[in-house]
Amino acid sequence: SQQGEEDPQALSIQEGENATMNCSYKTSINNLQWYRQNSGRGLVHLILIRSNEREKHSGRLRVTLDTSKKSSSLLITASRAADTASYFCATPIIQGAQKLVFGQGTRLTINP
Amino acid sequence: ETGVTQTPRHLVMGMTNKKSLKCEQHLGHNAMYWYKQSAKKPLELMFVYSLEERVENNSVPSRFSPECPNSSHLFLHLHTLQPEDSALYLCASSQDPYPNYGYTFGSGTRLTVV
Repeated sequence: SQQGEEDPQALSIQEGENATMNCSYKTSINNLQWYRQNSGRGLVHLILIRSNEREKHSGRLRVTLDTSKKSSSLLITASRAADTASYFCATPIIQGAQKLVFGQGTRLTINP
Repeated sequence: ETGVTQTPRHLVMGMTNKKSLKCEQHLGHNAMYWYKQSAKKPLELMFVYSLEERVENNSVPSRFSPECPNSSHLFLHLHTLQPEDSALYLCASSQDPYPNYGYTFGSGTRLTVV
């Protein structure tokens, strides 16, 4: 079953602007992860935020987590054309074996 | 290169063919996964292997048969596929079977069933 849902499904901005993507999930988690996928390629792990953390930074990425609202956001600052990709949130669930479940993703386009 | 290598990158096969997808990781990870990515659908987990034992089979049709001969290699054997099986098949590995760390993905195999 789908655990995370990203919003918006697609986002188009100008280079240099900030991009914000949101993720909502349904069950309790111990961490939430964000991944990037360039067209037709594999996913690349960007950042993991644990349930006891509220905010985390990595370079131009800023992730927040609100466990009371079961939501997370990914902010990319000073966007570049190379940031054009699909972004997915993923959350662990326990159904049999623990595993990561991915949302449908946000397609981000950075216009030069 | 991510450390997870998938071959082939592209595969076209007829519905009566038998083919295999290969995944190899040299990261020292203990868990490996097969995911299916179809257009406009979320990634679907197919199989989970932990320490070479299958711990999850996510209601995948028997025409998909996984094999994990050791902790570095994972195969997906394909037989009598349907056109709707056309998708990007992604292999991933992680340090342990509990998703407390990020997964490392391969570049995927783009499968087309004709």
